[in-house]
Amino acid sequence: DSGVTQTPKHLITATGQRVTLRCSPRSGDLSVYWYQQSLDQGLQFLIQYYNGEERAKGNILERFSAQQFPDLHSELNLSSLELGDSALYFCASSVASVQGNEQFFGPGTRLTVL
Amino acid sequence: GESVGLHLPTLSVQEGDNSIINCAYSNSASDYFIWYKQESGKGPQFIIDIRSNMDKRQGQRVTVLLNKTVKHLSLQIAATQPGDSAVYFCAEKKGAGNMLTFGGGTRLMVKP
Repeated sequence: DSGVTQTPKHLITATGQRVTLRCSPRSGDLSVYWYQQSLDQGLQFLIQYYNGEERAKGNILERFSAQQFPDLHSELNLSSLELGDSALYFCASSVASVQGNEQFFGPGTRLTVL
Repeated sequence: GESVGLHLPTLSVQEGDNSIINCAYSNSASDYFIWYKQESGKGPQFIIDIRSNMDKRQGQRVTVLLNKTVKHLSLQIAATQPGDSAVYFCAEKKGAGNMLTFGGGTRLMVKP
């Protein structure tokens, strides 16, 4: 158990819909990262937040957005969903923004868009 | 829980043998190279990292080798155990943020 929790574990929805994925980082971790893992693209970095502020952006679509709240939990919002958005979405956390290389990954949310 | 692509390269080894998993990287400016292990149905788990100015780093039963000349990274697992069966990803870290760029992954299967 990494200490990172993600909800829900599974999500099934239809094209055009909007969903919110939630992540609680390990106690004391200030940085939260979101990754997408799909069959054809592998593991891809989406976005990073550090202590409530966006710190780095990767291959995140404009239809996707995220935020980190004062209690450090984070939410990833996916809107106007398409079939190709079906994937595993992982949240990871680490203590600091730039120091250290160990990110602790949650168990993931499996999103299925029908 | 299938978590990765169906067409991953696969390495099959006998329990007790040593395993070598290879990775080619593209970004010469990466600061760190990192290995992650992903078991079925779980998120990736950090194994070991190596700074770009090093050639070798050892952990518990694992060794990472970095060859910058040919942009090659390898993970050696000594005395491979059934619990080592997983998909292994190499990742690169560069820049002010902490974002990781992951490689495609290799599936390790350990035969008892």
